[in-house]
Amino acid sequence: AQKITQTQPGMFVQEKEAVTLDCTYDTSDQSYGLFWYKQPSSGEMIFLIYQGSYDEQNATEGRYSLNFQKARKSANLVISASQLGDSAMYFCASRIGGADGLTFGKGTHLIIQP
Amino acid sequence: DAGVIQSPRHEVTEMGQEVTLRCKPISGHDYLFWYRQTMMRGLELLIYFNNNVPIDDSGMPEDRFSAKMPNASFSTLKIQPSEPRDSAVYFCASSVSGGYNEQFFGPGTRLTVL
Repeated sequence: AQKITQTQPGMFVQEKEAVTLDCTYDTSDQSYGLFWYKQPSSGEMIFLIYQGSYDEQNATEGRYSLNFQKARKSANLVISASQLGDSAMYFCASRIGGADGLTFGKGTHLIIQP
Repeated sequence: DAGVIQSPRHEVTEMGQEVTLRCKPISGHDYLFWYRQTMMRGLELLIYFNNNVPIDDSGMPEDRFSAKMPNASFSTLKIQPSEPRDSAVYFCASSVSGGYNEQFFGPGTRLTVL
């Protein structure tokens, strides 16, 4: 079974600072995908970034990047130059080859302070 | 383009009543997923379909829960009879096949069972 661990239940960060949200995963599969979603207080789930297990370079999408360390089974999300609008819950998720549903971590509640 | 559409957005019902949640996936997407989000259990996959066929329903909590996808543009999740512990936000998501494509989530249905 897959397991996603997010060890930071909550984080307070000053505006304009960089943020790293931790995520570790547990799988014996060689082929998998890792995703990050943002859930603002309004409740919708917004896709941010994706990393495939065979991707050699870390994924980047605008201010979001994924620090993928395969040997350590970690897939940390890095948000550069944080903004007040980044305040939200952030979920790490995995999708294993042959099983198409997402397994989510418990999430990190990020609060950006002015 | 319209995203994933869910209805109703909010549902309040009494214990023992039948509840039907509805979902319209993004046109052209051949995967459809139902998730449930609670404070205690986080985000859980309930069931998913590929080309209207249920593939994995191992996450459906009890026989009280059932899901159907009669065609490519419509799915329902039914709870009969409902119980207070079914109170949660239910998300529908869709994606295209081929690789680890992101799942696009609907706005969710907030279900309260009194």
